[in-house]
Amino acid sequence: DTGVSQDPRHKITKRGQNVTFRCDPISEHNRLYWYRQTLGQGPEFLTYFQNEAQLEKSRLLSDRFSAERPKGSFSTLEIQRTEQGDSAMYLCASTEQSGYGYTFGSGTRLTVV
Amino acid sequence: AQKITQTQPGMFVQEKEAVTLDCTYDTSDQSYGLFWYKQPSSGEMIFLIYQGSYDEQNATEGRYSLNFQKARKSANLVISASQLGDSAMYFCAMRELNQGGKLIFGQGTELSVKP
Repeated sequence: DTGVSQDPRHKITKRGQNVTFRCDPISEHNRLYWYRQTLGQGPEFLTYFQNEAQLEKSRLLSDRFSAERPKGSFSTLEIQRTEQGDSAMYLCASTEQSGYGYTFGSGTRLTVV
Repeated sequence: AQKITQTQPGMFVQEKEAVTLDCTYDTSDQSYGLFWYKQPSSGEMIFLIYQGSYDEQNATEGRYSLNFQKARKSANLVISASQLGDSAMYFCAMRELNQGGKLIFGQGTELSVKP
């Protein structure tokens, strides 16, 4: 297992389009987290899953955002009707439930033009 | 509400010298964990060091040590013998154990190591 993978690394989209990002966590990690990081800021929590269950969503996660983790494996984050304010780095992290060893992916950098 | 504050937007240090990056936190919980991450320009978050709220000794990991002062709610990162490859953004983060494990991050400190 080579760590947490995120795809794509970069995405440029036109305003109003839908985009979907994928995260493949470390296989034995049952918790998966999504964060958003804007330029010059620290990452902000968006949502997390324990296995396939989405247990918490931040108020940052508007109704244009949806995340899934079917079968408790990979996860997808979809943004509908993108806005310029959605431009950011989207980071995924995974960990074991009882652990504190979070492993982050390299992120997907979204630019909305 | 839980909060992490990093008051140094940018820091400079001479190669081979030590540097301290400041972090203060706010929480009403008794059980929490404190983390430091390094983020190079490539974007990935690299785990450096962890301190649990009940740990009596300061954490150390190679050239990294965490100066944990619980009463003052501070968790400063000390990097000894700075190297050019240490130039990056550094983030302090906190996890409250009854909050689902999510991390709350500070604003970050950009460290530049001068040759």
